[in-house]
Amino acid sequence: NAGVTQTPKFQVLKTGQSMTLQCAQDMNHNSMYWYRQDPGMGLRLIYYSASEGTTDKGEVPNGYNVSRLNKREFSLRLESAAPSQTSVYFCASRVLTGDRSPLHFGNGTRLTVT
Amino acid sequence: DAKTTQPPSMDCAEGRAANLPCNHSTISGNEYVYWYRQIHSQGPQYIIHGLKNNETNEMASLIITEDRKSSTLILPHATLRDTAVYYCIVRVARGATNKLIFGTGTLLAVQP
Repeated sequence: NAGVTQTPKFQVLKTGQSMTLQCAQDMNHNSMYWYRQDPGMGLRLIYYSASEGTTDKGEVPNGYNVSRLNKREFSLRLESAAPSQTSVYFCASRVLTGDRSPLHFGNGTRLTVT
Repeated sequence: DAKTTQPPSMDCAEGRAANLPCNHSTISGNEYVYWYRQIHSQGPQYIIHGLKNNETNEMASLIITEDRKSSTLILPHATLRDTAVYYCIVRVARGATNKLIFGTGTLLAVQP
């Protein structure tokens, strides 16, 4: 099993450009998450999807949109990138929101906005 | 929300046990303690979790104090590949906003 796959691995954008980060999991998990990681700040939750067809805001949702395309895929979109969105983005999944199952993470997308 | 406190860094000699402490003095009775680690340039990896009792799996052991205000992750025989940032997390559950809150973790450096 591949687990959680994120694409692209690296991306450089100019301020104002848009892009979509892709995430797919092959573990039949119901819940999926997007985190960003910045130096000295740990991981912060951007958005999550408890199940197919639902999405909710996390701690830092401003400037982002998400789409739960189907059970496998959860994408994160930056409509107008800003330098403050330079970060490493991690997608994660778990069996169910509200249970004790652990999160499984992808290996991240490293985004630089100039 | 229960928060956690971890030392920013620790060293451990290869082959020795690594004991990583975590304080979570405001933990609620139904909140679990989770441990993850993050090796450089990779996504976080789940290690273990527990509620009250001590837990052990193939990766580590988790010791939780009787009052549940602190816990210790034990890597019994640390190797160089265990060098990573270790996160202690208390699971926050509030209906539909269930989420794991990651702090800044402990950087464990295993020395040869």
